[in-house]
Amino acid sequence: DAKTTQPPSMDCAEGRAANLPCNHSTISGNEYVYWYRQIHSQGPQYIIHGLKNNETNEMASLIITEDRKSSTLILPHATLRDTAVYYCIVRVGDNQGGKLIFGQGTELSVKP
Amino acid sequence: KAGVTQTPRYLIKTRGQQVTLSCSPISGHRSVSWYQQTPGQGLQFLFEYFSETQRNKGNFPGRFSGRQFSNSRSEMNVSTLELGDSALYLCASSFSGSGANVLTFGAGSRLTVL
Repeated sequence: DAKTTQPPSMDCAEGRAANLPCNHSTISGNEYVYWYRQIHSQGPQYIIHGLKNNETNEMASLIITEDRKSSTLILPHATLRDTAVYYCIVRVGDNQGGKLIFGQGTELSVKP
Repeated sequence: KAGVTQTPRYLIKTRGQQVTLSCSPISGHRSVSWYQQTPGQGLQFLFEYFSETQRNKGNFPGRFSGRQFSNSRSEMNVSTLELGDSALYLCASSFSGSGANVLTFGAGSRLTVL
């Protein structure tokens, strides 16, 4: 079973920040938080990952709470092309190789 | 650099037949994983190959099998197809070796079983 809990759906206005929450209350000290997204009928796309510290890349920012029990993915200026299902995944970095346990994710709809 | 390539992109089979799907990973990636995606079950891990050996396996029947070649290309096979095998089959490759392991997915092969 997935170790994360996400809201099933969210809406966001184009140009505004999209903040997608994820709860992972049973996370272990050596487990990373990963975010992927899947645009309709395409393969999932890696967005960002983090262990303890907040992370930022060209796509998004990841904010992890101090107790690491939850995190938020931030898309700073959402566009229509960001409409997708966003998956939050928790796992030990390389210990399980290519095995990811996907939950149901959050379906983000960006509206004009 | 080239991404993960999956062939064929679409195929239609009938019950009882078998199917073979192919995946070419990103150059330098030695790990190839396979996933099945259906509307009812979502994305589920099938198995992973690393250096021609199966390293991880999901909870699927023995009708689902795979292999990896010395050039890291991988194939998966489904025998005695059932209607419920209709799905999007995704392949992902990764470098796998240290620290966080980021997967790059292909566009998938959409299988329809009639």
